Amino acid sequence: DAGVIQSPRHEVTEMGQEVTLRCKPISGHDYLFWYRQTMMRGLELLIYFNNNVPIDDSGMPEDRFSAKMPNASFSTLKIQPSEPRDSAVYFCASSARPGTASKLFFGEGSRLTVL
Amino acid sequence: GENVEQHPSTLSVQEGDSAVIKCTYSDSASNYFPWYKQELGKGPQLIIDIRSNVGEKKDQRIAVTLNKTAKHFSLHITETQPEDSAVYFCAARDNYGQNFVFGPGTRLSVLP
Repeated sequence: DAGVIQSPRHEVTEMGQEVTLRCKPISGHDYLFWYRQTMMRGLELLIYFNNNVPIDDSGMPEDRFSAKMPNASFSTLKIQPSEPRDSAVYFCASSARPGTASKLFFGEGSRLTVL
Repeated sequence: GENVEQHPSTLSVQEGDSAVIKCTYSDSASNYFPWYKQELGKGPQLIIDIRSNVGEKKDQRIAVTLNKTAKHFSLHITETQPEDSAVYFCAARDNYGQNFVFGPGTRLSVLP
């Protein structure tokens, strides 16, 4: 299996620009998560989906952030407009359905720098 | 909600020595406890996990112990090697939820 695939790996943009991060989960996984990692706050859950439906978006910091999952193999996290404080590494992760078989697997992350 | 604490935040050991990282959690409903290793520029990688019906689990040089009564679990790495240098995260999750709560991480340095 190719694992969780994220793109782009690095993104540098200017304040006010729109940023779109992409994720392809592991085939067969029902759950998809978006995390943000910073030195100050560690790994924070932003939102997660079950069967393409958003279940918990309480971690999304502001209305500038939005996430979609149009099908089982693709998700996007969009920031519009971006701000310097959004600079972080954004991880996508996926897992199978809850229960004893459920393990969380991460992608390699998208490092975002907003100037 | 669940809160996971992790100690120490940094740990330096000599190659060949053992390293121990400890985590505590607050929610008694949590029953799955994974450990992740994150190397520079990469995503967290699952290295070992333990479920609440087990007290200890080993995988070669890595072991994890769980004390449900005290709500703490630990990662043990024996015969450390330079390639063990990384940031290690513990996490907790209950059986029916999907929200993995992570500790703040421990930066392990193995000195040659």
